Amino acid sequence: SYVLTQPPSVSVAPGQTARITCGGNNIGSKSVHWYQQKPGQAPVLVVYDDSDRPSGIPERFSGSNSGNTATLTISRVEAGDEADYYCQVWDSEVVFGGGTKLTVL
Amino acid sequence: QVQLQESGPGLVKPSQTLSLTCTVSGGSISSGSYYWSWIRQPAGKGLEWIGRIYTSGSTNYNPSLKSRVTISVDTSKNQFSLKLSSVTAADTAVYYCARVTPGNDYSYYFDYWGQGTLVTVSS
Repeated sequence: SYVLTQPPSVSVAPGQTARITCGGNNIGSKSVHWYQQKPGQAPVLVVYDDSDRPSGIPERFSGSNSGNTATLTISRVEAGDEADYYCQVWDSEVVFGGGTKLTVL
Repeated sequence: QVQLQESGPGLVKPSQTLSLTCTVSGGSISSGSYYWSWIRQPAGKGLEWIGRIYTSGSTNYNPSLKSRVTISVDTSKNQFSLKLSSVTAADTAVYYCARVTPGNDYSYYFDYWGQGTLVTVSS
């Protein structure tokens, strides 16, 4: 089955740019979706189809996907962005990455 | 605005069947090209997809759970349901229901989620 690999943690200072990666075999040929999950809450879709944002998601959230790596980029990071982030693809079934904990220093 | 709400027992005994229902409001479960899905998350761990159903009744399941899972839909009640049989402590998790929307390249993503419900498997 298809595997998505995320770093367990990423740390960034407020106002800086956070980049969270999601690795998979030829993932650039797939559409990648990203979710933000804060403690005790349900996940929220923040990017779909590699780089599109749902209504209500700040422009600070963006995505890219090429080769074997997809990336979620959060610009001008705020304290409220501290959360777990998951990537997801469809490969005859739903596949989630293991999640990345974003810490805002 | 679509809303989803999970309901069902919070405690299930080992070897028994876990049963949950998701009630959809703010729109008809039959409208549009959406699937409806169940996802779970053990405490402190990541997300695990359980399966999905289309309003026609067509289903897809996670291969690792397929032998124990049944997802069904009741369009008259705007609900869909999950049954997971022969549960063990490893099935203890927060269970989410979600709407599945088609994306590009035959992909799918979850755009609306329920708040989640904790199910504990214990005697």
